[in-house]
Amino acid sequence: DAGVTQSPTHLIKTRGQQVTLRCSPKSGHDTVSWYQQALGQGPQFIFQYYEEEERQRGNFPDRFSGHQFPNYSSELNVNALLLGDSALYLCASSSGPDTQYFGPGTRLTVL
Amino acid sequence: AQSVTQPDIHITVSEGASLELRCNYSYGATPYLFWYVQSPGQGLQLLLKYFSGDTLVQGIKGFEAEFKRSQSSFNLRKPSVHWSDAAEYFCAVALTSGTYKYIFGTGTRLKVLA
Repeated sequence: DAGVTQSPTHLIKTRGQQVTLRCSPKSGHDTVSWYQQALGQGPQFIFQYYEEEERQRGNFPDRFSGHQFPNYSSELNVNALLLGDSALYLCASSSGPDTQYFGPGTRLTVL
Repeated sequence: AQSVTQPDIHITVSEGASLELRCNYSYGATPYLFWYVQSPGQGLQLLLKYFSGDTLVQGIKGFEAEFKRSQSSFNLRKPSVHWSDAAEYFCAVALTSGTYKYIFGTGTRLKVLA
């Protein structure tokens, strides 16, 4: 049983560009959450998707948007990239009110 | 606002010594509580969790944690540390308001001396 997978592993972009990160949840999981982990910090909640809708959102600007597909996979889009968006982006999946399982992350570097 | 505090940024212990990592939370009710471990460049692996019931919970890799309501704490312990335990440890809480947004502490980096 594959766990949570994310692609790509690493990504380098320049300021002002747009980026899309992808996540496939653990088998049987229908809820996907995205987190941003800046260097030396704990992960910060971006938003959560369930039944293809954004269910809850953290304190992130509208430049951060997402999508969930019928197969429960998800995308995180970031527009107008800033240097401060450089971070490890983690996807987590869950099924109902229980534990979240995290993927290995995508390391985004903005130059 | 809800918050999680891990007061120790770095901890160094000798291999074989005991370990305690501290975690305090600020929340009106008892949240769901978690400890995760992150090796360099990796995602987060769940060590253990507390939802209710027995306040001493056992996890993987020989870790345990104790929930103390009066102190709003959920400290992680291990009786004998192995060199492979060197990593960053994160305490997290999930708000039981119907959705499960996690709030993480800033982490404690553990160094193990041979």
